Amino acid sequence: GAGVSQSPSNKVTEKGKDVELRCDPISGHTALYWYRQSLGQGLEFLIYFQGNSAPDKSGLPSDRFSAERTGGSVSTLTIQRTQQEDSAVYLCASSLAPMQETQYFGPGTRLLVL
Amino acid sequence: AQKITQTQPGMFVQEKEAVTLDCTYDTSDPSYGLFWYKQPSSGEMIFLIYQGSYDQQNATEGRYSLNFQKARKSANLVISASQLGDSAMYFCAMREGRGSSYKLIFGSGTRLLVRP
Repeated sequence: GAGVSQSPSNKVTEKGKDVELRCDPISGHTALYWYRQSLGQGLEFLIYFQGNSAPDKSGLPSDRFSAERTGGSVSTLTIQRTQQEDSAVYLCASSLAPMQETQYFGPGTRLLVL
Repeated sequence: AQKITQTQPGMFVQEKEAVTLDCTYDTSDPSYGLFWYKQPSSGEMIFLIYQGSYDQQNATEGRYSLNFQKARKSANLVISASQLGDSAMYFCAMREGRGSSYKLIFGSGTRLLVRP
């Protein structure tokens, strides 16, 4: 079946602009995660959604970052007033349920802030 | 304190030989899971193998096996019969138990290069 998909695959933006990144999880997967991969910080957790529960936002680096998940499926990660340090690959992952161990990752969105 | 440590930034292996990628972890949670992911140059994270903290036997998936030594808190990945396509970054990751949102904590990765 189809894996996790993300769009856009690449995004170049100017400092101060807002960007939206999209994630379509594997059909039927209830848990959805966003991670960020940057040269200086490695792979780091951003946010977690599970069903209708309140999301775990503990990894969001600042209040410029927000995310939502509509209808328990598609998720968007929004970065407001982008900064150069936001340049990174943003990875989305999903799992069948939180207790199901394996998280399957999408191809990522490469964000470059000029 | 770093929870996942991969001490080998880069490794070389000859094609068809076996290679071990090291991973140590630190947790006080009795319930945890350990994962290995492969990231080729294309950037996608590919799941390779999983080991649960209560699993009695080492996990195996084809040419991949996980050498799980619980007392030493190590979870090394062994790749047998290396192939050129195995050249990639390899990440060890840990998922701690309930209450942590099951997020993965990643090591810094090991870049493996398979020589023909």
